Amino acid sequence: DTAVSQTPKYLVTQMGNDKSIKCEQNLGHDTMYWYKQDSKKFLKIMFSYNNKELIINETVPNRFSPKSPDKAHLNLHINSLELGDSAVYFCASSQDQGYYGYTFGSGTRLTVV
Amino acid sequence: GDSVTQMEGPVTLSEEAFLTINCTYTATGYPSLFWYVQYPGEGLQLLLKATKADDKGSNKGFEATYRKETTSFHLEKGSVQVSDSAVYFCALNYNNNDMRFGAGTRLTVKP
Repeated sequence: DTAVSQTPKYLVTQMGNDKSIKCEQNLGHDTMYWYKQDSKKFLKIMFSYNNKELIINETVPNRFSPKSPDKAHLNLHINSLELGDSAVYFCASSQDQGYYGYTFGSGTRLTVV
Repeated sequence: GDSVTQMEGPVTLSEEAFLTINCTYTATGYPSLFWYVQYPGEGLQLLLKATKADDKGSNKGFEATYRKETTSFHLEKGSVQVSDSAVYFCALNYNNNDMRFGAGTRLTVKP
């Protein structure tokens, strides 16, 4: 039973397309996150939601829009994809806003061609 | 702002060698500190944590001690195995903000 699951695992798409990545957690955690990992493995926080409410929105192009229909789901929609969006995107969740650590999904490798 | 700095890699060791990966932090208060491990093609997994000064986190033979006086949380293992080859991330969480990660250190263990 996967704790934090993301779909799809791989996504190859053309520039200019719109795509979504879905994330679900079954841990009962109250906070969910999206991170972007570049080719050098550097991790950057993009968004954080606590009980469906946006609490962190880092400097991310407004082509990226998170949506949290309930506290177990956090989806990421990306409009007008660009080559520079190619990366691995990780969803994570935590209880108590991360005091005891995060649980990560296995990632979505996005390749824009 | 709050941040962590960890030693640059890559680190290459022979099996059964001793491992140290250095990590220091900058924070205005007393953060929780973490080590995560990322195996090839996978997400990050929490390896160990410490939530207050002098705490020692340990898991799978890895250890790290929260040292307030040196603002450090170095990761150690007495005898590494080939299966320990991965990227290791030091991280901190302070005042319920987002987790701040170091740049990652790639470890390769050769038989």
